[in-house]
Amino acid sequence: EAQVTQNPRYLITVTGKKLTVTCSQNMNHEYMSWYRQDPGLGLRQIYYSMNVEVTDKGDVPEGYKVSRKEKRNFPLILESPSPNQTSLYFCASRTGGNTDTQYFGPGTRLTVL
Amino acid sequence: AQSVTQLGSHVSVSEGALVLLRCNYSSSVPPYLFWYVQYPNQGLQLLLKYTSAATLVKGINGFEAEFKKSETSFHLTKPSAHMSDAAEYFCAVSWTGRRALTFGSGTRLQVQP
Repeated sequence: EAQVTQNPRYLITVTGKKLTVTCSQNMNHEYMSWYRQDPGLGLRQIYYSMNVEVTDKGDVPEGYKVSRKEKRNFPLILESPSPNQTSLYFCASRTGGNTDTQYFGPGTRLTVL
Repeated sequence: AQSVTQLGSHVSVSEGALVLLRCNYSSSVPPYLFWYVQYPNQGLQLLLKYTSAATLVKGINGFEAEFKKSETSFHLTKPSAHMSDAAEYFCAVSWTGRRALTFGSGTRLQVQP
């Protein structure tokens, strides 16, 4: 089954404790991205990757890092989380064209205390 | 700057009534337009997309949307609401040269019995 998986689905942590949210897709997609969803703001892109070892900032990259060492995986790293990073995070992937459908993971709800 | 606006953060309809969710975009270049649906505790799923072919686009679950360039709109409609349509709906826009989707703030649809 074609899918995007994220782990963990729920995470509660404390300020400053480094964490990683994993994302994996089994569709051989080139393009992957991370979004955060906040009430009243819709989804905003954090980072994206066009292929292995190619990443770039989205609209709200501050406080986040990513890496793309393998085509299928695109982890999101918060080196020193802060309460304003409490949010719902989605990983997404697509083949590459602007008109292609993006496939979203189930989401990770992060709470930073 | 390119943007997308969804009018109405909450819409409530009766079962069997017409569903109309509004989306207006601002873009200086021809846009690609998408509607996504998010069911509770799930990721986003593509309903339909406009990619410069037919202006009336049919999607899944009986939804359709019409691209109106003169009104810069891409409203989502369904003739008869079902209880299962209760969800949050996001309009999104992309265009050639921009990798990310720009999302509206979302409209939560309630369907009353």
